[in-house]
Amino acid sequence: GDSVTQMEGPVTLSEEAFLTINCTYTATGYPSLFWYVQYPGEGLQLLLKATKADDKGSNKGFEATYRKETTSFHLEKGSVQVSDSAVYFCALRKGSGGSNYKLTFGKGTLLTVNP
Amino acid sequence: NAGVMQNPRHLVRRRGQEARLRCSPMKGHSHVYWYRQLPEEGLKFMVYLQKENIIDESGMPKERFSAEFPKEGPSILRIQQVVRGDSAAYFCASSPPDRGGNEQFFGPGTRLTVL
Repeated sequence: GDSVTQMEGPVTLSEEAFLTINCTYTATGYPSLFWYVQYPGEGLQLLLKATKADDKGSNKGFEATYRKETTSFHLEKGSVQVSDSAVYFCALRKGSGGSNYKLTFGKGTLLTVNP
Repeated sequence: NAGVMQNPRHLVRRRGQEARLRCSPMKGHSHVYWYRQLPEEGLKFMVYLQKENIIDESGMPKERFSAEFPKEGPSILRIQQVVRGDSAAYFCASSPPDRGGNEQFFGPGTRLTVL
């Protein structure tokens, strides 16, 4: 079945450091790929998404590129802030056909950014 | 527009008791999804409901678990005779009517602890 594997945490960085959180997936067909963020005490929020190969999703300085050849969707940010401290989830959803509403998540990566 | 509401945020039950988790979708949303996050795991799909209909319950344990989304009121996830293994975070998401592939908006989750 479909699966998502993401970098184990926790990740601790200093403010303005470069962030990479790795994510790889296994799926049939052409899934859509997502990054969700969960701030303390809140629900998951969609951070960015990509729906086809070579698409780049971006939001709030975060970027991720859909790489079909390496089945990856790594999250990057050039300069993190303390306010980026949160749990980040990589997820996929089938692109079409039945069950195209089911999201499959990775385990989540806790990011802590220190001043 | 209020987001997806879940209550309670934290629920403690003793083995054998019943747990009722509530989810109020965003205004105008008629599709509800429940996901479970076991410790050290990613979120896993449980059930997809539309008003008064269960569309897909393939992720629900066969026994003790049930879900409903009545015409009026919140969606309810019910766990009868809870066991320690039910301890998890339960997340609800909602999406607008139309195809099931719309973006899902998540609530903050209910953390169930079974003593």
